[in-house]
Amino acid sequence: DGGITQSPKYLFRKEGQNVTLSCEQNLNHDAMYWYRQDPGQGLRLIYYSQIVNDFQKGDIAEGYSVSREKKESFPLTVTSAQKNPTAFYLCASSGRGQGYEQYFGPGTRLTVT
Amino acid sequence: GQQVMQIPQYQHVQEGEDFTTYCNSSTTLSNIQWYKQRPGGHPVFLIQLVKSGEVKKQKRLTFQFGEAKKNSSLHITATQTTDVGTYFCAGNSNSGYALNFGKGTSLLVTP
Repeated sequence: DGGITQSPKYLFRKEGQNVTLSCEQNLNHDAMYWYRQDPGQGLRLIYYSQIVNDFQKGDIAEGYSVSREKKESFPLTVTSAQKNPTAFYLCASSGRGQGYEQYFGPGTRLTVT
Repeated sequence: GQQVMQIPQYQHVQEGEDFTTYCNSSTTLSNIQWYKQRPGGHPVFLIQLVKSGEVKKQKRLTFQFGEAKKNSSLHITATQTTDVGTYFCAGNSNSGYALNFGKGTSLLVTP
């Protein structure tokens, strides 16, 4: 089956720890994205990558880091510098450029206490 | 930067009533996409509009793109309980690769 996977579904961490969220796709998409979703806030773009070894900051990149070493994978690290890390994180992929629909993974719900 | 505003934030209707959500951009869009997110789920692509004044239909759903390519609407005729969810619009500006999402309209349908 082609698709985009995120793991784990739920993640719990203590404050001050870095945590890495996984995102893998086998859709052969060039572009991948990370969004954060909070109640009533819609989808806010954290980082995106249009091609391997290249990525761009989105609207709320502070406290996050990414890498894009392989086409299939776009892991997101939530660092201890992120002030309010508890949220629902969604990864998506699409063709490169404008006008392509985005395919979303099932999301990871991160809780930091 | 480009902002996409969506109203209303919430809508509660009786099954069989119509529903409309509106999307407005501060800048001209090259395209607009609509997504639906069921409770507990992830956004799923519904449709894309590209041309000025374009209207597209999917069964009971009608999507419109404004003449100035700065606004869009989604209208659902005779809602059903399966329509429950949050509807997002998202657009590309003429120069940007990243989609800008509205905050979404959450639709609740009671039987």
